[in-house]
This record gives sequence, structure tokens and C-alpha cells, in this order.
Amino acid sequence: NAGVTQTPKFQVLKTGQSMTLQCAQDMNHEYMSWYRQDPGMGLRLIHYSVGAGITDQGEVPNGYNVSRSTTEDFPLRLLSAAPSQTSVYFCASSTGTVGNNEQFFGPGTRLTVL
Amino acid sequence: GESVGLHLPTLSVQEGDNSIINCAYSNSASDYFIWYKQESGKGPQFIIDIRSNMDKRQGQRVTVLLNKTVKHLSLQIAATQPGDSAVYFCAVGFQKLVFGTGTRLLVSP
Repeated sequence: NAGVTQTPKFQVLKTGQSMTLQCAQDMNHEYMSWYRQDPGMGLRLIHYSVGAGITDQGEVPNGYNVSRSTTEDFPLRLLSAAPSQTSVYFCASSTGTVGNNEQFFGPGTRLTVL
Repeated sequence: GESVGLHLPTLSVQEGDNSIINCAYSNSASDYFIWYKQESGKGPQFIIDIRSNMDKRQGQRVTVLLNKTVKHLSLQIAATQPGDSAVYFCAVGFQKLVFGTGTRLLVSP
């Protein structure tokens, strides 16, 4: 199993550009989520999904869109990049079941918005 | 909502010592607590979790203690090794995790 994979590893954008961060998992997990991590802070939840076709907002959803058309993939879209979105982005997945809820994190995408 | 805080931004220990990392949370209704380890340039890695119906849980060289009365969580690492050097986060919640700001553990030989 590859676990949770994220692409790209690094990305530089100009203000106003759009892009999609890719996330995929091969563990057949129902639950997937996106977090951002800023220096000196813990991870903050952006959006999450409890299964294909179902998404919901987390703590900091503004400026981001998600969709979940398959169990495996959960892309994060930046609509119009802003410098405040400079951060490291992590995707995570889990079974979402009581008693077995270990969340597996991807390696992260480091995004810089100029 | 929930807020999570850690008591020390940095903890320095000698190899072989026991390490204790603390965390406080705000919501007394919180039910699920997790500790993660994050090495430089990597995603968080699950260490151990505990549910609110327990006050102690042990893993390999790690113990998590939960004190619901004072809303306090701690991670104990026995016989700390250089490979334990990392940032440790506590997180609260079942699927929508709320993370603390992290404690950097520095282990010197």
C-alpha cells in the first residue's frame, strides 16, 4: 500500500492564480480531510469528507473548494490564491469507525503564494 | 468549540530520561484524544489514542494519561531516544480534529 499520497510536494503561485492539490489513498478509507499547518501553529481543518459524494467545511474553509467523486481521491482547489494561503497542506484519511480511527497523513504540499 | 493548548513549546531531555509532554483542552464533552509525532518535513504520525472512558493507556514505550476533571492530557515517553526528537501534537475529536500547537522534544546524547 502506498498509503496517502499528495502531489505536488512544492508549489509557488502568484496572487490570483488557481490550482488543485491532489490527494489519493489506497486503503479504502471512507473518511478524508484536508488540514493546513502554519509556522508555530497546529494543524487546522479546512474541509473533510465522510464518503464519496459527501463533503463538509472545517474550521478554515474560505478560499478552498473540495469534491469527492471517488473513495480514493479528495482534491483541494484554491480558487484565487492569496498570500495568506501560504502554508503546508496535509491530507489525511481514516476508516472513521469507532475503535479504529487512526488518521493517516500524507507527506504534505508546501505552497507559497507571492 | 474546542481549543487545545500545550504547556511547553520546547522540552529538552537527555537520552535515557523519561519525557512528559502535557496538553490541555477546553471542552469537557470531548470524547477522543490522540497524540501525534511529526518529524521535520513529514506529515504527522499517529502514536497513541485514548477515549474518555479511560484514564490511562499504554503502548510501546509510551503512556497517555487523561484527567477529565482538569481537562488535561499527557504523553509519557520512557527511556527517550534520539529518534524521539520531533514535534509532538495532541489532538481532540473523532474525525474533525482540533490540534494543539505542538511541543518540540529535543533529545541530547
